[in-house]
Amino acid sequence: DTEVTQTPKHLVMGMTNKKSLKCEQHMGHRAMYWYKQKAKKPPELMFVYSYEKLSINESVPSRFSPECPNSSLLNLHLHALQPEDSALYLCASSPTGIRVDTQYFGPGTRLTVL
Amino acid sequence: EDKVVQSPLSLVVHEGDTVTLNCSYEVTNFRSLLWYKQEKKAPTFLFMLTSSGIEKKSGRLSSILDKKELSSILNITATQTGDSAIYLCAVEPNAGNNRKLIWGLGTSLGVNP
Repeated sequence: DTEVTQTPKHLVMGMTNKKSLKCEQHMGHRAMYWYKQKAKKPPELMFVYSYEKLSINESVPSRFSPECPNSSLLNLHLHALQPEDSALYLCASSPTGIRVDTQYFGPGTRLTVL
Repeated sequence: EDKVVQSPLSLVVHEGDTVTLNCSYEVTNFRSLLWYKQEKKAPTFLFMLTSSGIEKKSGRLSSILDKKELSSILNITATQTGDSAIYLCAVEPNAGNNRKLIWGLGTSLGVNP
């Protein structure tokens, strides 16, 4: 298994909703990432988990809450989002927890906040 | 401030043409430079270049790192319509446990039949 999977593919939510994005990989990678990508922009790093511990939080608002239940799973819990949070949310993983070798990206979740 | 600049921002070519995409960087303590291809969704890894591996080739794609000029090029020969995508360049600074990549804005390539 050499891929990163993400669910759902598309999500539409209201500003008062609570939803979660899920990411899964079975490559034995020890670092997992959440990125946010707006149209015509490069991916913007949000969080990094290394060996299941939160290593980097790029000053992301608390309405985004990451969770790493185990080494294969990464969740992003969403609550009270704003319309400007609408974007493609990408999950990625990389082999080691110390440096970026290569990042394998999932297909993303297209999020629309109404 | 660390930054990565790609050029051109966009270009359109005809099938069969050869294209060269540019990436220049200013980072504190360079570790590696990566090229990705992004079609409709997730970026797909193409190459990683480091001080010990400054030239990579895969089929019609090749890339060279020029550490003196702080830049890299991505060459695509005999382009095909399937090469139409955004090509992203990212640089990894050598900063301990920091795993943050510095991304360029990308070059949008269109290949017409």
